[in-house]
Amino acid sequence: DADVTQTPRNRITKTGKRIMLECSQTKGHDRMYWYRQDPGLGLRLIYYSFDVKDINKGEISDGYSVSRQAQAKFSLSLESAIPNQTALYFCATSDFRLGGNEQFFGPGTRLTVL
Amino acid sequence: AQSVTQLDSQVPVFEEAPVELRCNYSSSVSVYLFWYVQYPNQGLQLLLKYLSGSTLVESINGFEAEFNKSQTSFHLRKPSVHISDTAEYFCAVRLLTGGGNKLTFGTGTQLKVEL
Repeated sequence: DADVTQTPRNRITKTGKRIMLECSQTKGHDRMYWYRQDPGLGLRLIYYSFDVKDINKGEISDGYSVSRQAQAKFSLSLESAIPNQTALYFCATSDFRLGGNEQFFGPGTRLTVL
Repeated sequence: AQSVTQLDSQVPVFEEAPVELRCNYSSSVSVYLFWYVQYPNQGLQLLLKYLSGSTLVESINGFEAEFNKSQTSFHLRKPSVHISDTAEYFCAVRLLTGGGNKLTFGTGTQLKVEL
């Protein structure tokens, strides 16, 4: 079984719709991250969380919100989706006890906003 | 703020030929350096990392990277590539102090190995 899972894996939605992407991990890591990947732009950090009560904005948080429901779950919401949020979204985890030096990535969610 | 530059967006190479993927970074403080690989339709996997010690680091599948502080580079090399190395490669940096564990990624280099 995968250690970091993301649901859904693919989603097509319309402009203005609210959508939630979910991430779960069984690695027991304390830190979780959301990135988006766009061709030619690499990965950019949207939000990150160091524990359930600690949520921080990344470099491109506008238009997104997150919820850390438990240590193992970190969801990303688009309150009103727009076409330029079409991208590949990745969740990642790391562990403070291991120095936090390696991030472990989920398989990604491909989101298309029409 | 730190930044990462991968000048080559695509690198085509024949099987069994050597390859070098370039990575340069900019930071006002010391950094940790990473190479991640993304195979088609998959998430990113850590390939190798430089934290301290020897400036030459190696992966289990034959890649190596050398940290050059004076040139602020961390180029990835492999002396003989295989078809299975076809993937996108991302260089990333993390600040030693401050900034949490946030990674800053380069824009990626698509390595295409041809027969």
